[in-house]
This record gives sequence, C-alpha cells and structure tokens, in this order.
Amino acid sequence: DQQVKQNSPSLSVQEGRISILNCDYTNSMFDYFLWYKKYPAEGPTFLISISSIKDKNEDGRFTVFLNKSAKHLSLHIVPSQPGDSAVYFCAASALAYYGGATNKLIFGTGTLLAVQP
Amino acid sequence: NAGVTQTPKFQVLKTGQSMTLQCAQDMNHNSMYWYRQDPGMGLRLIYYSASEGTTDKGEVPNGYNVSRLNKREFSLRLESAAPSQTSVYFCASRWSSGNTIYFGEGSWLTVV
Repeated sequence: DQQVKQNSPSLSVQEGRISILNCDYTNSMFDYFLWYKKYPAEGPTFLISISSIKDKNEDGRFTVFLNKSAKHLSLHIVPSQPGDSAVYFCAASALAYYGGATNKLIFGTGTLLAVQP
Repeated sequence: NAGVTQTPKFQVLKTGQSMTLQCAQDMNHNSMYWYRQDPGMGLRLIYYSASEGTTDKGEVPNGYNVSRLNKREFSLRLESAAPSQTSVYFCASRWSSGNTIYFGEGSWLTVV
C-alpha cells in the first residue's frame, strides 16, 4: 500500500520555464512533508519542507504547495535550470502521531526531472 | 564535514553469503535509518533506530538485521544474501527534535 504517490515517473521542461512536480498521499495522519533531490550516484539531499498548518512555503526558486483536503502537494521550480535535472522525492511523516525520536519518513517513488537547455 | 558515511560503496555478493553495511554519523544525531532504493519503488525504510540501544522494523525488514552499536554507528547485516536484495542502500540520520533526515552517499549491492 503506497501511502505516498508520485504518479509521474518523469518530466521534461525547457530551461527558464516552470517545473511542477506532484505528490499525493493517503494517510490523513501525515502532517509534515518534505522534498528531496537526488543526483545519480549521490544520496538524497533535503530541498524544502512544509507543515500541515501551512499551505505554502517558499525558498528562492522553490515553492511547495499543500492542499490538505485533496491530500496533494506540489513542488514548483521557477525558473528551471539545467542543474535542477535530478530525481525528486516527496516524503511525509506523522509528527504528531509518532513524535520525536521515533518519527520516520515515508517516501514516494520519485520523479525524474530533465531540464533542457 | 563528513556527515553520514557508509562503507562499502560497492559490493558484489554471491547468493547465500553474508555481509554488513557500516554507517557512521558525526552530527550527534539520535535517530538513524536504513533505506533501500529500487527502480520504480522509491526509498523504502528497512529498519530505524530512534536512539542508542533501540531498533525497530520499517516497511521491508525481512532478510536484514541491524545493530545500533553506539550513538554514531548503525550497521545493516544481510545474513544470507538473495538476488532480491540487489539494491542501493542508504543510511540516514536525524536529530530527535528535527524534521529533516540527512543521507549518506549510498552503497551499491549486487547479489548474483
């Protein structure tokens, strides 16, 4: 049972345009969401996060939107750059349920973003 | 800063052999994790350790054992490797009061 779903395995956009990566979740206890970026042969690195008390969080070119009623979040990258080409993982956790040290992240399957020069 | 360090980076095993993946973090984090990444499956949690001396099963624990040797080190052991355990393994760690986990660079394991 996939609790975090990224239904688009890949996405191709032109440099300078907007990239939109989507993520859906099924577990209503999830209250904290993160996006990780992964280059080949490297470990995932943290990109941006959002708490369920917000519906938007912005960090430079990266913005994450959360729609709790639809159990959907998205990552917007504007403008997209060739260096953004990577696999992007959505992850969720149930902080209020698990709390502190026992908290764990559940990841989606990832979306491969290719930004064409 | 080393962060999360995993060894070995690459390993080829024969079916039935055993091996241990080592992980160490130098960030004074309390929680540590082992994930595996497979094509089309994303990152799946194998085991985690909320603190020194405790370990718990994740989503896919079968065929693995773990040891939280001390606060810094968390090892993953395959007692009898199977081809289905061919994967990329990532160790990660987190500060108890933080929400972000930090990953190592990965260990590529092939079981033939």
